[in-house]
Amino acid sequence: DTAVSQTPKYLVTQMGNDKSIKCEQNLGHDTMYWYKQDSKKFLKIMFSYNNKELIINETVPNRFSPKSPDKAHLNLHINSLELGDSAVYFCASSLPPGLDTPDTQYFGPGTRLTVL
Amino acid sequence: KQEVTQIPAALSVPEGENLVLNCSFTDSAIYNLQWFRQDPGKGLTSLLLIQSSQREQTSGRLNASLDKSSGRSTLYIAASQPGDSATYLCAVRATGNQFYFGTGTSLTVIP
Repeated sequence: DTAVSQTPKYLVTQMGNDKSIKCEQNLGHDTMYWYKQDSKKFLKIMFSYNNKELIINETVPNRFSPKSPDKAHLNLHINSLELGDSAVYFCASSLPPGLDTPDTQYFGPGTRLTVL
Repeated sequence: KQEVTQIPAALSVPEGENLVLNCSFTDSAIYNLQWFRQDPGKGLTSLLLIQSSQREQTSGRLNASLDKSSGRSTLYIAASQPGDSATYLCAVRATGNQFYFGTGTSLTVIP
């Protein structure tokens, strides 16, 4: 069974469109994340949700809005897509952060977004 | 701000060799450090997680060490195999529940 799944795997769209990427985890984790991996393979955290509450919001444009309907799902909605949004977006989940929590992160397969 | 650096950026070794990948971080106030593997076009797979109170973790042919005071971690791979070819990333969990990733080391093991 897939632990962390993302849909779609590939997304090609025109500049200016609005799109969503969905993420689901069946690990029972309380914490979920969205990362962006750029063309140089650098991973940067965008958002983190702990039990449906936003706990990290890195300095990403407000065109990006995470939505968590329940603790097993964290979706990413992007408005007015720009060329620079082209990247691979990864969803991940873990146990809640704690001083000695083995908060191993489990990653989804990624969504490759291409903005034309 | 925490910065994570990995050296070398790329490494090519013949099969059977032992090798070391390096990760350094600028702020020693971390909760843990995690090593990941990423295959081309795939997501990340966690290999080892070292808590800040630990010095090393082992899994099979992999051994990861952590020296918090000097801001360094190494991933040792014994008896490398072609299947080990991938990009290896280290990530630190810092205060404020932030995660910082290195830029990775691309490993090629030549049969």
